[in-house]
Amino acid sequence: DAGVIQSPRHEVTEMGQEVTLRCKPISGHNSLFWYRQTMMRGLELLIYFNNNVPIDDSGMPEDRFSAKMPNASFSTLKIQPSEPRDSAVYFCASRVAGGITDTQYFGPGTRLTVL
Amino acid sequence: AQKVTQAQTEISVVEKEDVTLDCVYETRDTTYYLFWYKQPPSGELVFLIRRNSFDEQNEISGRYSWNFQKSTSSFNFTITASQVVDSAVYFCALSEPDSGTYKYIFGTGTRLKVLA
Repeated sequence: DAGVIQSPRHEVTEMGQEVTLRCKPISGHNSLFWYRQTMMRGLELLIYFNNNVPIDDSGMPEDRFSAKMPNASFSTLKIQPSEPRDSAVYFCASRVAGGITDTQYFGPGTRLTVL
Repeated sequence: AQKVTQAQTEISVVEKEDVTLDCVYETRDTTYYLFWYKQPPSGELVFLIRRNSFDEQNEISGRYSWNFQKSTSSFNFTITASQVVDSAVYFCALSEPDSGTYKYIFGTGTRLKVLA
């Protein structure tokens, strides 16, 4: 079975450019999470969706960040404009809620470098 | 408030040694789940185990074992006869399904270095 798919795996861009990260959750999973990982701040939850609806975006650092989930099989995290401090690894995770299968599975991550 | 503490920032062992990674959690809920994830140098986060609060049985999977003790709010992870391939950052996490949130609370991770 395919796991969580993220693209691109690596992104290098210049300050001020728009960046779009993509995620395809595991089929049948109804929750999706976006995380950011840096050496300084560790693993941070940015936003999560349940049944395609954003539930909690309190971790989104500022208005430059936005996330959408137009359907159950696709989500995007957009940064516009990007800044060097956005450089990090961004993970997407999905989960099927409830019972003994309540576990988040992570994608391989997107390593973003903003010059 | 909910919290997960991994006090060991980094541990170095020599191959074939046993090593225990500590995880202490705080929660006010009676129903909760605990997790361990592995992040090898390649960067992905790999799910290792999930335990619910009603099941205090210890788990063994090959060289890996987990000791869940509610009395001390701990969920420790032991690797027996460590190997170089075990070198990774290991994260412990907590979720509280009755809180109405789907968030996981992650610890800060323990970096394990297994030396040949």
